[in-house]
Amino acid sequence: DAKTTQPTSMDCAEGRAANLPCNHSTISGNEYVYWYRQIHSQGPQYIIHGLKNNETNEMASLIITEDRKSSTLILPHATLRDTAVYYCIVAGGSQGNLIFGKGTKLSVKP
Amino acid sequence: DAGVIQSPRHEVTEMGQEVTLRCKPISGHDYLFWYRQTMMRGLELLIYFNNNVPIDDSGMPEDRFSAKMPNASFSTLKIQPSEPRDSAVYFCASSPRGQGVRYGYTFGSGTRLTVV
Repeated sequence: DAKTTQPTSMDCAEGRAANLPCNHSTISGNEYVYWYRQIHSQGPQYIIHGLKNNETNEMASLIITEDRKSSTLILPHATLRDTAVYYCIVAGGSQGNLIFGKGTKLSVKP
Repeated sequence: DAGVIQSPRHEVTEMGQEVTLRCKPISGHDYLFWYRQTMMRGLELLIYFNNNVPIDDSGMPEDRFSAKMPNASFSTLKIQPSEPRDSAVYFCASSPRGQGVRYGYTFGSGTRLTVV
């Protein structure tokens, strides 16, 4: 599976949009981009995933560049409860497994 | 939907003892995964099952670890004998029918294992 690069940590003010970047320059054609988050002491939680089109759900939006080499997860109005480690993962559509990296520790501050 | 259920939530055992962790996946999910999380190594995939059959156990650290899935609603991860370096949080996850990775995994709350 392709590797991803994410910043180690980010801060965001409560109520503002949190934009979390991810680079995946070696992604192949059949690999999806997945985002999960892990709030302290809990299991990882699925957020969103996409192949090449932008995606939106009730939790977040996923913007994937046209060349698919990078993506951005957007939390439109961050709250204190969004403080967590966010993982960007690329994995194949057939039997690719989710391999977690170190993620980005997002701290939402009042 | 109760989600993925793991038991126990916490386990403290002495070195050399056998430890069994349990997982009940979401009904209808045909993929089941076991992960281990430590500060040093992060989240590691240990093994996964499809339709109760182990597909890839290359992440299992050594022969002391074994996993079974006797039916679609139950899986165990066993460590025998346990060692202090096995101390970690163990997560179970399940995913619905189809090509597993195209669907979000649902993780359980984890079992925090401490081996003293």
